[in-house]
Parts: sequence; C-alpha cells; structure tokens
Amino acid sequence: QLQLQESGPGLVKPSETLSLTCTVSGGSFSSSSYYWGWIRQPPGKGLEWIGSFYYGGSTYYNPSLKSRVIISVDTSKNQLSLKLTSVTAADTAVYYCARLRRGWYGFDYWGQGTLVTVSS
Amino acid sequence: QSVLTQPPSVSGAPGQRVTISCTGSSSNIGAGYDVNWYQQLPGTAPKLLIYDDTNRPSGVPDRFSGSKSGTSASLAITGLQGEDEADYYCQSYDSSLNALFGGGTKLTVL
Repeated sequence: QLQLQESGPGLVKPSETLSLTCTVSGGSFSSSSYYWGWIRQPPGKGLEWIGSFYYGGSTYYNPSLKSRVIISVDTSKNQLSLKLTSVTAADTAVYYCARLRRGWYGFDYWGQGTLVTVSS
Repeated sequence: QSVLTQPPSVSGAPGQRVTISCTGSSSNIGAGYDVNWYQQLPGTAPKLLIYDDTNRPSGVPDRFSGSKSGTSASLAITGLQGEDEADYYCQSYDSSLNALFGGGTKLTVL
C-alpha cells in the first residue's frame, strides 16, 4: 500500500525558505505512470496546486509560484522535496504531497499534510 | 480566484439528491481534459472520489457519480447521508499540465 508522509519545520520566518520532504513508501519515482506533486491549502481556504515532478526529471510549476519554487526527488531516499523561497504570511498553509496519475492527471494518493506557519 | 468555478455551498436533507457544478473554459474542461473530484472531511486530506470524469475508485459508493458536458462538469450525490457532509473539489488541467482546482463546495446535510 502506497504511503506518503510530509515532514519539515512547522514555523518559518518571513523572507526565508520553506523546505519540506515527502517520504514515499510502497512506491517508486521511476515509474512512467505517475507524477508526484505538492498541493497546499491555506487555513479555511481551498486547494492550490504548487507543482509536479515527472520521473524523467521534468518539473511543472504553478505559474503564480514558479519564480519561488523548486521540486526535486532523491531516489536513493525515496523522497520528494519542496523548496519555496522568500515566504510571506500568505504562504501559511497545510502542505500536501500526492501521487498524480498520468492519463487522467488526478491525485490518487495523498499524504496527511503538514501545517507550515510563516511568522516572525 | 480559481480557474474552475464551484458554488460555495450546497445543502440537502438525508435521502435527497444534490449536485455540485464545476465550470471551466475552452482551455481546460472544454478542451476535453479529464475532471476529477475529491472529498475532504474536516481535518483530513482530500480523498479521490471520481476520476476521469465518471469513474469511481474502488470503495467509493455508487451514490456518487460524475458527468461532463462542454466546459462544465458535475458531481451528483444520491441518497444523501450525514457522513457526506464535507468539502468537495473539482480538478482538471490544461495543455501545460498545470493542475487546476475549483474553489471548493461545502456540502451541508440538513
């Protein structure tokens, strides 16, 4: 059974870099059938796609965040990572990692999410 | 503002049927790209409810169904139950493989 678990600091200071890791168990980044993505949800608000990684190394980013986001994979550790630079209070959210199915391009497995608060 | 438009809220009594609409454009739903639906219970991660417009993952009751026409899609829930009270999100994508979410709809079971 595929499992995804997000981890990282729960508090980040304004202007600093938010760094999160998603550890995947029961699955692999080397399959051409899947992408791997990050989604976030500000408190009380809706879902926002941040970006996706495809096994060949291709990345796709939300245009509104593209200048500040890097998504990468460490296959030796089976981890997906997210870096978001120059954060502000507007980046406070629950951050989810999820598997994205190629074809119908939907998220079929999700991590439980981790809350990141941006505050000094 | 979300690229996909959903009503902020819908409600229905137990046993009734409700529908949630998701309106996009010729750049996403209208271009034929698949629509997926998610259910998010309070305090939990979203769960895939409908994929590829009309398909249910294993374990999702057949009370839930999806449809699509033109630039819009709909989620229908029949035989409404108290446990269906949740937030529902539609999702599609565009030609650049940007994933697009609707703003979400809060379902209240009266």
